[in-house]
Amino acid sequence: DTEVTQTPKHLVMGMTNKKSLKCEQHMGHRAMYWYKQKAKKPPELMFVYSYEKLSINESVPSRFSPECPNSSLLNLHLHALQPEDSALYLCASSLGTLWNEQFFGPGTRLTVL
Amino acid sequence: KQEVTQIPAALSVPEGENLVLNCSFTDSAIYNLQWFRQDPGKGLTSLLLIQSSQREQTSGRLNASLDKSSGRSTLYIAASQPGDSATYLCAVAQGGSEKLVFGKGTKLTVNP
Repeated sequence: DTEVTQTPKHLVMGMTNKKSLKCEQHMGHRAMYWYKQKAKKPPELMFVYSYEKLSINESVPSRFSPECPNSSLLNLHLHALQPEDSALYLCASSLGTLWNEQFFGPGTRLTVL
Repeated sequence: KQEVTQIPAALSVPEGENLVLNCSFTDSAIYNLQWFRQDPGKGLTSLLLIQSSQREQTSGRLNASLDKSSGRSTLYIAASQPGDSATYLCAVAQGGSEKLVFGKGTKLTVNP
């Protein structure tokens, strides 16, 4: 298995909702990442997990809460989002640190109403 | 602070043409450079990874070169096809940091 999967593909939520994004990989990678991408912009790093521990939080608002239950799974919990949080959320993984090749999932298109 | 620039921002070519996409970076202290392809609304597909000690990497019709001292990389696409139409992003893994720094991408259109 050489892919990163993300669910759901699309998500529409209100500002008072709580939802979660899920990312999974079975390549034995020990680093996993969340990125946010707005239209016509490059991805922006949000969080990095290395060996299931949070190693980077790029000053992301607390309404985004990451979780890494095990080495194959990464979640992003969403609560009280704002319309400007609407974006494509990408998950990626790599063998070890950021200096290994990163593999991206297809993304979740999030719309906040 | 590392800055990555991709020129041109957009490129339109006829099918069959060989083409070169450019990526430049300001700090040569990099671990590697990765080229990605992104189709509209989709995730990123890794095309090639060049380690800082390497000069080039090849995969099929793609060839990427790296000149670390001058802060440049090129992605050469041979015999372009309409299916190559996408946005191409380069990203550098910066020494001393755990972040990938992305360029803004080149949007390629290959016309039949």
